[in-house]
Amino acid sequence: NAGVTQTPKFRVLKTGQSMTLLCAQDMNHEYMYWYRQDPGMGLRLIHYSVGEGTTAKGEVPDGYNVSRLKKQNFLLGLESAAPSQTSVYFCASRGLRGSNQPQHFGDGTRLSIL
Amino acid sequence: SQQGEEDPQALSIQEGENATMNCSYKTSINNLQWYRQNSGRGLVHLILIRSNEREKHSGRLRVTLDTSKKSSSLLITASRAADTASYFCATGEETSGSRLTFGEGTQLTVNP
Repeated sequence: NAGVTQTPKFRVLKTGQSMTLLCAQDMNHEYMYWYRQDPGMGLRLIHYSVGEGTTAKGEVPDGYNVSRLKKQNFLLGLESAAPSQTSVYFCASRGLRGSNQPQHFGDGTRLSIL
Repeated sequence: SQQGEEDPQALSIQEGENATMNCSYKTSINNLQWYRQNSGRGLVHLILIRSNEREKHSGRLRVTLDTSKKSSSLLITASRAADTASYFCATGEETSGSRLTFGEGTQLTVNP
């Protein structure tokens, strides 16, 4: 069982470049999330989706865009990368049955912006 | 801002000892969850406790929840070197629906 798969695993960008991080889940989950994790801090929610075709802002959405065109995929885009966006990005998904459900995480994308 | 604050930030113990980590939060919650993160990996769900529960067990894990004090604790009994990881609490809030808010984590080191 693949669960939640993130691609790529590592990437180095130059300031101003753009890129898209892909998250795919095979559990037929409704909810999907993008977080960033910085040293000494917990996870901070960037954007999330409660179903195909929907997106919503989280705690730190500025500089990022997302799309959920297919239920199994959640894309995170950086239009013009900045050094402050150097971080580890995690995708997670969750099933629909009530709010007391755990989230399932991918192994992260390590992104460096030079 | 982070909902959960965890204490201690780092904990080092010997194999066989018990490890206790604490989490405090600020708002009303639906549930509180604990996750483990091994170095270089994603978070793995350990246990979920609902707001109307006071204690829950899973194997060597014991979680307590005190909603009057807005706090929770995670106890790992008879620790093993493989328990070395970061542990995070996360709260599901009444007003946020599907979202979780994570604490900053406790780094646990279990020495063989």
